[in-house]
Amino acid sequence: DQQVKQNSPSLSVQEGRISILNCDYTNSMFDYFLWYKKYPAEGPTFLISISSIKDKNEDGRFTVFLNKSAKHLSLHIVPSQPGDSAVYFCAASTGGGNKLTFGTGTQLKVEL
Amino acid sequence: DAGVIQSPRHEVTEMGQEVTLRCKPISGHNSLFWYRQTMMRGLELLIYFNNNVPIDDSGMPEDRFSAKMPNASFSTLKIQPSEPRDSAVYFCASGTGGIRELFFGEGSRLTVL
Repeated sequence: DQQVKQNSPSLSVQEGRISILNCDYTNSMFDYFLWYKKYPAEGPTFLISISSIKDKNEDGRFTVFLNKSAKHLSLHIVPSQPGDSAVYFCAASTGGGNKLTFGTGTQLKVEL
Repeated sequence: DAGVIQSPRHEVTEMGQEVTLRCKPISGHNSLFWYRQTMMRGLELLIYFNNNVPIDDSGMPEDRFSAKMPNASFSTLKIQPSEPRDSAVYFCASGTGGIRELFFGEGSRLTVL
């Protein structure tokens, strides 16, 4: 039972354009959501997060949007850069804890 | 500051052999997690510890898998006997109360032939 779903295994965008990565969840108890970025042969690194009391959080080129009614969140990267090419994992947690449930990841490729 | 340290980075073994993966969490962190990365399931939680005590091992696939945390600075994940389907990248992550994010090691890539 996959409680966090990333239905697009891959995404390709041109440098300078917007990248939009999507994530859906089924557990209404999730109250905190995170995005992690992973390069080959490295561990995942934290990118940006959002609490369920907000609907948007922005950090430089990265913005995460949360739609609680739809149980959907998205990560926007503007403008996309070749160094953004990586696997992006969506994650969620409940009850103030740090036990994270991850999705299957989306491979982003930013082309020149 | 040192991050989460995992060893070995790569392990190649034959079916039936025992495999032990090791993890040193970030000093001061009181929670430790073992995840496995596969194409089908992404990052799958196997087990996690809080203050060295196993809290949830429901993700451990079979009795062949076991994990220990004898002290705050060391944990092991053991597979005995190993099977080809155990081939994956195993990640250790640590965290601390009040901070919702986890910090990951670089992973141990296991290949069982």
